[in-house]
Amino acid sequence: NAGVTQTPKFRVLKTGQSMTLLCAQDMNHEYMYWYRQDPGMGLRLIHYSVGEGTTAKGEVPDGYNVSRLKKQNFLLGLESAAPSQTSVYFCASSSGGTGGGAGNEQFFGPGTRLTVL
Amino acid sequence: AQSVTQLGSHVSVSEGALVLLRCNYSSSVPPYLFWYVQYPNQGLQLLLKYTSAATLVKGINGFEAEFKKSETSFHLTKPSAHMSDAAEYFCAVRGTGNQFYFGTGTSLTVIP
Repeated sequence: NAGVTQTPKFRVLKTGQSMTLLCAQDMNHEYMYWYRQDPGMGLRLIHYSVGEGTTAKGEVPDGYNVSRLKKQNFLLGLESAAPSQTSVYFCASSSGGTGGGAGNEQFFGPGTRLTVL
Repeated sequence: AQSVTQLGSHVSVSEGALVLLRCNYSSSVPPYLFWYVQYPNQGLQLLLKYTSAATLVKGINGFEAEFKKSETSFHLTKPSAHMSDAAEYFCAVRGTGNQFYFGTGTSLTVIP
């Protein structure tokens, strides 16, 4: 199992450019998440999905869009990149659920380091 | 609402000394709590988790954490620090709707 993979690993954009980050998981997890990590701020949830075809906003959704057309993939899009979006982006997945599944942890990808000039 | 607070953004210990990283949580329901470790330029890796089965939870690499409801705490400890423990540590709580809330992290430095 590859677990959670992210593409690309590094990217440099100019202000106003667009890009899509791809997250893929091979664990058949229902839940997928996108976070950004900035120094001193921990991980902040951007968007998440509770199943194929669903998405929901997290704590910091502005400037980002997501899609979950296939269960194993979760895409994060930046339509018009801004310097404030310079960050490290992490994707995670979880089997989630209730009862015994409620304690299931998240599995993280290796991250994408994005710089917006 | 659920949240976690990590006291101390930077902790330094000598090699062989006790490691204590603090986490306090806020939760309106019985919490599911997690500790993750992040090594430089890597993703987060689960150290241990509390799911109400036992208050003392043992994890990987000799770490353990104790859930104390009366103190709303879930502190991470290791009896003897090793150089390889130098990393960033995150406490997290599972919230409603399968969202997870992370603390701001504690950077652990191990002094030889």
